[in-house]
Amino acid sequence: DAKTTQPNSMESNEEEPVHLPCNHSTISGTDYIHWYRQLPSQGPEYVIHGLTSNVNNRMASLAIAEDRKSSTLILHRATLRDAAVYYCILRDGNNYGQNFVFGPGTRLSVLP
Amino acid sequence: GAVVSQHPSWVICKSGTSVKIECRSLDFQATTMFWYRQFPKQSLMLMATSNEGSKATYEQGVEKDKFLINHASLTLSTLTVTSAHPEDSSFYICSAPFGGARTEAFFGQGTRLTVV
Repeated sequence: DAKTTQPNSMESNEEEPVHLPCNHSTISGTDYIHWYRQLPSQGPEYVIHGLTSNVNNRMASLAIAEDRKSSTLILHRATLRDAAVYYCILRDGNNYGQNFVFGPGTRLSVLP
Repeated sequence: GAVVSQHPSWVICKSGTSVKIECRSLDFQATTMFWYRQFPKQSLMLMATSNEGSKATYEQGVEKDKFLINHASLTLSTLTVTSAHPEDSSFYICSAPFGGARTEAFFGQGTRLTVV
């Protein structure tokens, strides 16, 4: 699986935007960029995913660089509930049964 | 709501006993499910791939005789930790690759196993 690199931790103030970066310089043309987050003592939760174009959903936005070698997860207004570990993962669009390869992720702290 | 349900959420067992963890896909059929283990302050690590109708495949270093996996139906996979020891205490999580990379995947809520 292609690797991703993320900062170990980030901090944000409540109600401010948060930009979580991810580098994936070895991404292949069929890799989708997925973001999941894990709240304490819970399983990972889907946040957003994309291939080439920027994506928006009710939880977040995903900005994908033109060369696709990096992406940024954007939380528009951080809340205390957004404190979690965020994982950026590449998934091959041609491999239906692929498991997830988790890196250390970014631990986001949200300050009141 | 969650489409992959894991049970129990937590369990405490005595050393030497066995514990079974269930993972169910509620709204879809899953021919494949994955089992992960997560130690405190660490990331998830794949333990094994559960395949309906065939044997599970285990990652290197995972004892297949200790972690028994049974994919009994297209909606149920079970992980049994046999002869549990304190070092097996961990957070166990299952997932099902619904739709592949083009859609979101679903994870169970996780099971906190404590062996005393």
